[in-house]
Amino acid sequence: AQSVTQLDSQVPVFEEAPVELRCNYSSSVSVYLFWYVQYPNQGLQLLLKYLSGSTLVKGINGFEAEFNKSQTSFHLRKPSVHISDTAEYFCAVRGFGNEKLTFGTGTRLTIIP
Amino acid sequence: NAGVTQTPKFRVLKTGQSMTLLCAQDMNHEYMYWYRQDPGMGLRLIHYSVGEGTTAKGEVPDGYNVSRLKKQNFLLGLESAAPSQTSVYFCASRATGVTADYGYTFGSGTRLTVV
Repeated sequence: AQSVTQLDSQVPVFEEAPVELRCNYSSSVSVYLFWYVQYPNQGLQLLLKYLSGSTLVKGINGFEAEFNKSQTSFHLRKPSVHISDTAEYFCAVRGFGNEKLTFGTGTRLTIIP
Repeated sequence: NAGVTQTPKFRVLKTGQSMTLLCAQDMNHEYMYWYRQDPGMGLRLIHYSVGEGTTAKGEVPDGYNVSRLKKQNFLLGLESAAPSQTSVYFCASRATGVTADYGYTFGSGTRLTVV
């Protein structure tokens, strides 16, 4: 079985401040990890993914995430946010050999001008 | 543009009515998925398909049926709609093989309201 926990349902951040969105996962096998972004009234867009190799993964729009196997975490970070980053962010996991992608419940990021 | 196309984009149904949601992808992907998105619950997998002619149940399959008669199309059916099926439905597809990037491509969603 696999699962994802996003502890923060909402995160307000001032514009140009740094942000971290937390994601923890559980799986009995090795995993692939993903972050998706959903802008209002749109579908999901892939931000970044961890498949193997370097634990620091860089994605689009200046976001990055670090895979920490010992802490079973895959937190998303951005050093300086913009109004345009206002969206909902979903962490997702897929275990090796599992055809299904499991999502967390999402974190709504609100940027305060 | 290449990608995943969902039709319709919006629909209002009365309780007990039936309907079919269509998902079409032009990327020759083997795997296709149907998710529903509800506030505070993220995306939950309804059904999925690993190839033409094959389907399997996800986390929340009750009240839904699917078919994958052609590789590019994945249909989601509601035989007798209930208010609990009010949701936003997303279709996704994924490539396979050693060169695949394991990423999912999502459609733009279908917003369904059952009254």
